[in-house]
Amino acid sequence: QSVLTQPPSVSGTPGQRVIISCSGGNSDIGSNYVYWYQQLPGMAPKFLIYRNNQRPSGVPDRFSGSKSGTSASLAISGLRSEDEADYYCSAWDNSLSGWVFGGGTKLTVL
Amino acid sequence: QVHLVQSGAEVKRPGASVKVSCKASGYIFTDYYIHWVRQAPGQGLELMGWIDPSRGVSNSTQKFQGRVTMTSDTSIGTAFMELRSVRSDDTAIYYCAREFEAYYYGSGISIWGQGTLISVSS
Repeated sequence: QSVLTQPPSVSGTPGQRVIISCSGGNSDIGSNYVYWYQQLPGMAPKFLIYRNNQRPSGVPDRFSGSKSGTSASLAISGLRSEDEADYYCSAWDNSLSGWVFGGGTKLTVL
Repeated sequence: QVHLVQSGAEVKRPGASVKVSCKASGYIFTDYYIHWVRQAPGQGLELMGWIDPSRGVSNSTQKFQGRVTMTSDTSIGTAFMELRSVRSDDTAIYYCAREFEAYYYGSGISIWGQGTLISVSS
């Protein structure tokens, strides 16, 4: 069972905006930044969002992140077929001294 | 260009040990923490632990304490993860991954190896 809670799946049609939620606790999201990773089928995860809402170079601005208290969310606007992937949230956990992850959310583009 | 290249897939019998290597290139190896993350088939990501290559200090999560050893060889820019007494539920893809910021942990994981499939079967 994952420490952070994500919905198992979300879906949308091309051009739509979808939001993926991530819920944690005081020792992880509540105390530290949230990070998001995109995992395409059969591939290693890719760094998508850091420090709650920052995008590494090369990540389109269609992807945005936010955090409030012990929850966070990833928004994907202008949905495209190539966005179909698993998305994971993560945060450093002070009590564990390590990364904790959400269970992942499978995004389907209809 | 920054890369982490891992060793190839392995098949192990229950009770055996397995050692995965992770060779870094394109950056100063000792400047960044390396994390080991695994992913069971169809499952999510799970941290096993991390190592600071500059000091050789490592920390494994409670679940893996006593069964995993993380080391690094700075002369060849390579990190290693050894898992002992493997069992069927250790079947997974094992990733090494580099911290985003130098000299720091908790800044995110920006670089991932390609993954190493470890299959445990009798």
